[in-house]
Amino acid sequence: AQSVTQLGSHVSVSEGALVLLRCNYSSSVPPYLFWYVQYPNQGLQLLLKYTTGATLVKGINGFEAEFKKSETSFHLTKPSAHMSDAAEYFCAVSVFTGGGNKLTFGTGTQLKVEL
Amino acid sequence: DAGVTQSPTHLIKTRGQQVTLRCSPKSGHDTVSWYQQALGQGPQFIFQYYEEEERQRGNFPDRFSGHQFPNYSSELNVNALLLGDSALYLCASSLQSLADFNEQFFGPGTRLTVL
Repeated sequence: AQSVTQLGSHVSVSEGALVLLRCNYSSSVPPYLFWYVQYPNQGLQLLLKYTTGATLVKGINGFEAEFKKSETSFHLTKPSAHMSDAAEYFCAVSVFTGGGNKLTFGTGTQLKVEL
Repeated sequence: DAGVTQSPTHLIKTRGQQVTLRCSPKSGHDTVSWYQQALGQGPQFIFQYYEEEERQRGNFPDRFSGHQFPNYSSELNVNALLLGDSALYLCASSLQSLADFNEQFFGPGTRLTVL
């Protein structure tokens, strides 16, 4: 079974500051890892994903994440926060089984961006 | 190209009633997954449908059932509603592939309130 732990249910940064949202995973097989963003009253939008290959993945809106197997981590970063980044962010893990690939989500981190 | 659509957007029911939620997948997709997102929580996997059959199921009681139609659209049915069933129900669609992970695209969700 897979699981995800997101450290910090609320993170607050100043506009222009570094954004760092933490995610640690547990998986008995090589995982696929994802970050989703959810704006109020909306569904989930994929920010980026790691499946195989390069461990540093770049996503939309200037976000990136690095897969670190030794630390079982997949932290999300953005060099400079913008007011429009304020939203809830979810880390998720899945494994490829060839038939069914449910996503297991963390509890989310609410990002607040202040002037 | 229409994305994943869900109906209705909001729904209010009373305890003991039954509810049906609907989902139309993104054009070209053949697999539909359903997730329940309680307030302040991450989405939890309910089940996944492919070729009109339930392929995977999460830890949800039999009160939760589903169906997939030949046109790939899907319904989620919940019987004997409980207050705890109040949540945002998300539908996600993907294209089945045996060669790689199937990215899931999420709809905006249906907000169910049980009184």
